[in-house]
This record gives sequence, structure tokens and C-alpha cells, in this order.
Amino acid sequence: GNSVTQMEGPVTLSEEAFLTINCTYTATGYPSLFWYVQYPGEGLQLLLKATKADDKGSNKGFEATYRKETTSFHLEKGSVQVSDSAVYFCALTRNTGFQKLVFGTGTRLLVSP
Amino acid sequence: DAMVIQNPRYQVTQFGKPVTLSCSQTLNHNVMYWYQQKSSQAPKLLFHYYDKDFNNEADTPDNFQSRRPNTSFCFLDIRSPGLGDAAMYLCATSRNMERTYEQYFGPGTRLTVT
Repeated sequence: GNSVTQMEGPVTLSEEAFLTINCTYTATGYPSLFWYVQYPGEGLQLLLKATKADDKGSNKGFEATYRKETTSFHLEKGSVQVSDSAVYFCALTRNTGFQKLVFGTGTRLLVSP
Repeated sequence: DAMVIQNPRYQVTQFGKPVTLSCSQTLNHNVMYWYQQKSSQAPKLLFHYYDKDFNNEADTPDNFQSRRPNTSFCFLDIRSPGLGDAAMYLCATSRNMERTYEQYFGPGTRLTVT
């Protein structure tokens, strides 16, 4: 079946540090891949997405590249801010049929000043 | 701004007392979803509507029901809430059901069961 595996958290960084949150997936065919962010007490917001191999999604300084050869979609940011503290969810939708989002377990990011 | 709105943001109900959560959208999307999210977990899909077609996930308890009276509104009814139903309930929409269409989430309703 389809699944998403994320690195365990929390990830604790100092402001301006480089961020990587690993995400790998298992799926048949060519799923679409997403990163969602959830700030404390709020719903999920789409951060970025990629719909085919080698696509790079980017938004607000975050980037992730769809790597089919390694089945990965790692999230990166060159310089994190305190305001980036949140839970990040990697997710996929399978390539056919009902567009069900399959989420990873989420990774909490804590950025200190 | 087009958006997904959930009311109330916080809801307290008593054990066994029916409760209804509300979701509305101004995006004119065809699909509406309800998720349950417990603390420190990923959201879990309960069911979705594609237009008026209702689709229940296989493991969604019968205690949970939903109504979609029109394109803009969708309701989640919990007939007899138990302590284990305390969670954040998220409503989401998408334009269609193709894999490339992202889902837009509301801010959620946090349900407490006393």
C-alpha cells in the first residue's frame, strides 16, 4: 500500500540554521507529493507540492525535490526563523482514483532565538 | 479571501450528548473532507463528499455521521460522544479528486468531552 515515512522529531535548531526534514514514500506509479505545515492550535496549510519526478516545490524559502530514484521528498530551508516552529507533515496522493491524502506522522520543528 | 471556515473553534460537550460541528467554504470546491486529529498524530480521514456523493472510510465508527446540504456547507455529527472522541476535527476541501489538486484545510474545531 501507499505510505509515507518521516524522520522522528522534535528537530531543535537555532535561528538561521539549515533545516532538513527527511521524507520517503512507498507508492505504486507516480503519486503527487506535498508538505503541509501546522502551526500551534491551527489547521494544516499547504507549504509546497510536486506532481512529477524531478519537480521542485518551493515556498517561503522552503524547498523539496521529487526524487523518484530514491522515493524521497526531503524538506529543506537554508535559514530557519523562530516563526517556522511548527509541525510539518509530508503527504502523498496516489496517482489514480480517489485523491486520498496519505500523511506521514509529522515532524515537530522547534527554532530557538 | 476564499477560505474554509469552521465553527465553533472550541466545543465542549458531555459524554453521550450529541454534538454537531460545522464547516463552510467559499472556494466552490466539489469535494469536502472531515478528518480527526488526535494529539501528536497525523490527521485521519473519516469521510468525504464529492458533490452529494458520500464516501465513508471503512474504519470510521457509526457514531460519526455527516451531512452536506449544499455545496458550501458540511456538518459532522457525533451521535454519542465518548471520551475517546476528544480531538481536533479538521474540514478540508479540494476542487476535484485528481491527484494534483491540493486540499485546503480549515482551522479546525477542538472538541472536549467531559
